[in-house]
Amino acid sequence: QVHLQESGPGLVKPSETLPLTCAVSGFSISNGYFWGWIRQPPGKGLEWIASIYHSGTIYYNPSLKSRVTLAVDTSKNHVSLKLSSVTAADTAVYYCARPSGAVLLPFEYWGQGVLVTVSS
Amino acid sequence: QAALTQPPSVSGAIGQRVTISCTGSSSNIGAGYDVHWYQQLPGTAPKLLISDNSNRPSGVPDRFSGSKSGTSASLAITGLQADDEADYHCQSYDSSLTGVVFGGGTKLTVL
Repeated sequence: QVHLQESGPGLVKPSETLPLTCAVSGFSISNGYFWGWIRQPPGKGLEWIASIYHSGTIYYNPSLKSRVTLAVDTSKNHVSLKLSSVTAADTAVYYCARPSGAVLLPFEYWGQGVLVTVSS
Repeated sequence: QAALTQPPSVSGAIGQRVTISCTGSSSNIGAGYDVHWYQQLPGTAPKLLISDNSNRPSGVPDRFSGSKSGTSASLAITGLQADDEADYHCQSYDSSLTGVVFGGGTKLTVL
């Protein structure tokens, strides 16, 4: 069974870079599939951030592309996200997710999410 | 503003049928891209409810069904139950944005 677990700092100061990690168990990232990041501001809807294929191909949300860095670490079997120059608008629960097949969508497997607050 | 438009809220009595619409455009749903639906119970991660417009993943009751026509899609829930009370999100791909788009989400209240 595929299990995803996000981890991050919880609190980040404005203008800093937010680092997040998605640890994957029950599946080897080197076997393929896209890995997506989605966020949800408190009380709001879901927003897709980006998706990365194990080989490095990345699809980005155009509105976030300039601030997003994605990477896959097959040795640690995890996916990482860095979001730079954060503001209060980046306060959200951040989820990582994996599709059911070797396609971009839909997201069948989700982590439990990690709440990140941007505040000084 | 979300690329896909959903009503902010819908409600229905126990046992009734409700539908949730998801309206897109010619660059996403209208372009033929599949629509997927997620159920998000309070305080939890979204759960895949309907894939590829109308397919139910294993374990999803047949009370839930999806359809798509033109630039819109719909999620129907029959025989409403109290534990159906949740947020429902539609999702697709957009060729203009070259990426994934979500609707704004719909809160279902079971009366």
